[in-house]
Amino acid sequence: DAMVIQNPRYQVTQFGKPVTLSCSQTLNHNVMYWYQQKSSQAPKLLFHYYDKDFNNEADTPDNFQSRRPNTSFCFLDIRSPGLGDAAMYLCATSRRLAGSTDTQYFGPGTRLTVL
Amino acid sequence: DQQVKQNSPSLSVQEGRISILNCDYTNSMFDYFLWYKKYPAEGPTFLISISSIKDKNEDGRFTVFLNKSAKHLSLHIVPSQPGDSAVYFCAASALGGSEKLVFGKGTKLTVNP
Repeated sequence: DAMVIQNPRYQVTQFGKPVTLSCSQTLNHNVMYWYQQKSSQAPKLLFHYYDKDFNNEADTPDNFQSRRPNTSFCFLDIRSPGLGDAAMYLCATSRRLAGSTDTQYFGPGTRLTVL
Repeated sequence: DQQVKQNSPSLSVQEGRISILNCDYTNSMFDYFLWYKKYPAEGPTFLISISSIKDKNEDGRFTVFLNKSAKHLSLHIVPSQPGDSAVYFCAASALGGSEKLVFGKGTKLTVNP
């Protein structure tokens, strides 16, 4: 029944060691988003894909990259994680962009710990 | 700069009473507002929305009120149930504008039996 799946749910990495987080969806939605959420903070949009078109938020560090090999999957790559990158990473999907009445469907998130 | 503000980090109410969660926004371009609910270890789930052409939207026990002149919206839950205990996020977007959905920091609601 799960519509937006994130793997792993918990990820531990070492300072500077690249890490990849995975998101898949069964909704066949056009748009996939990655958010970063730190404790007691609002989810912060990092970037999104509309189909194959990648849109990076202006304040997203270069350390964060994303890939969308097909409609169903989207990956978040953190090239050199720092201690400040420890957070919950949320994947979301929608049929159309946020500037519409379409709601976003969220996955359960991946909790990233950086040692 | 926080464009969407939820000034109460937490709220505690008794079962059966009304819960009122508040949200303020600063960007006058926002014209679509949503509430998401989040349980621990789960992602946010959509609860209810309202567009700026309305001042009220109701769905069962949940009602959202929008005061455009005050740039304020509120979510009312009546009657509150223990299963409503969760973090509630207010979010806003500009229809036909930016692709971004802007979230508040959330309010943790606890409904006591």
